[in-house]
Amino acid sequence: SQQGEEDPQALSIQEGENATMNCSYKTSINNLQWYRQNSGRGLVHLILIRSNEREKHSGRLRVTLDTSKKSSSLLITASRAADTASYFCATDLSNAGGTSYGKLTFGQGTILTVHP
Amino acid sequence: DVKVTQSSRYLVKRTGEKVFLECVQDMDHENMFWYRQDPGLGLRLIYFSYDVKMKEKGDIPEGYSVSREKKERFSLILESASTNQTSMYLCASSFLWDSNQPQHFGDGTRLSIL
Repeated sequence: SQQGEEDPQALSIQEGENATMNCSYKTSINNLQWYRQNSGRGLVHLILIRSNEREKHSGRLRVTLDTSKKSSSLLITASRAADTASYFCATDLSNAGGTSYGKLTFGQGTILTVHP
Repeated sequence: DVKVTQSSRYLVKRTGEKVFLECVQDMDHENMFWYRQDPGLGLRLIYFSYDVKMKEKGDIPEGYSVSREKKERFSLILESASTNQTSMYLCASSFLWDSNQPQHFGDGTRLSIL
């Protein structure tokens, strides 16, 4: 499997419900980032969580990181039709003493559809 | 706000042509990246650059080259376009000296090679 794999591949929910997407990775990371992509557009950064952090919030978004399990989850609460998009996790593999030049490894994404 | 601008949203070229995709960022970022995005394969890194005239191969550099003559501009070149290079191409930039900063993406160029 690849570094940064999202699960599920697709998620369909009703407006007002919560959406949870998961990401697993294989090697040690410096940070993990979540991005959103509307159809046919570029990626937009949502949240960055560092390897020494366990949880981070931004508005209706909550990200958790479990480095022992090499996994992360993105929770969108009270979803809206406008949240319909693809969501990607990306891992930065740089660590103390080295540099990755900010290179990220992206997963294949979760397609979220929120029905009005 | 950071702005990353890609020169074309849609581009149609013919097999064998030399194709240039341009990307400009306005935030004085050191790092610039070129990705291609294909259904089921996610984003794959083609090349990146951390300084003017510096370039490093990514995961899929074959058939591509890049140019970084100025800090704000990073060009992707398809030397002799082939149909298997039909894809969505995304440019991104970020700071070099703080790895806990995100990448900022352009809107992408959807390239079709006929």
